[in-house]
Amino acid sequence: KNQVEQSPQSLIILEGKNCTLQCNYTVSPFSNLRWYKQDTGRGPVSLTIMTFSENTKSNGRYTATLDADTKQSSLHITASQLSDSASYICVVRLLTGGGNKLTFGTGTQLKVEL
Amino acid sequence: DGGITQSPKYLFRKEGQNVTLSCEQNLNHDAMYWYRQDPGQGLRLIYYSQIVNDFQKGDIAEGYSVSREKKESFPLTVTSAQKNPTAFYLCASSPSGADLTYEQYFGPGTRLTVT
Repeated sequence: KNQVEQSPQSLIILEGKNCTLQCNYTVSPFSNLRWYKQDTGRGPVSLTIMTFSENTKSNGRYTATLDADTKQSSLHITASQLSDSASYICVVRLLTGGGNKLTFGTGTQLKVEL
Repeated sequence: DGGITQSPKYLFRKEGQNVTLSCEQNLNHDAMYWYRQDPGQGLRLIYYSQIVNDFQKGDIAEGYSVSREKKESFPLTVTSAQKNPTAFYLCASSPSGADLTYEQYFGPGTRLTVT
């Protein structure tokens, strides 16, 4: 069964600190992996998208890594800000099949405090 | 949220009533999608459409219906047959449903509460 598991489920950090969120997947065959940020009560917004040949991609203070061999990804947030408080969702796309073949993780709820 | 709008933001209905959620996009995207989000669960696909006048069932289509008469519009009807309709509903679009690298752009969502 294609699954995406994220850890931790929730995380609280102090403003200015760094943190790393984890994503493990069993989706196969793999096409690409995306990280989304979802503010409470809003739609998800894309942060990064990586194919199997890419092992790191940055978007400002966000850096995603991908190890396609171990089927693991991480999202590192540098110098966190209060506005980083949100749910971060890992999404994996199947290589085959028509239409939408996205498998969503349940997300990591991040809270940044003063 | 880009060029995708969903209305209303909050919707309340009595059990047994059908309700239609609106989704409009001005991004000229071919593909549109409806997801449902419940606490502690990942987004689940209800229906998707890759082109006008065509749509496909997703993983949890039972109790829902859609239409795609115009490229920019993809309304979702939650029928009385849906056993547990209270949820946060998200609409998304992408330039093409077939291209694997295109990302999906999400609307702001509609929170439906049925009592």
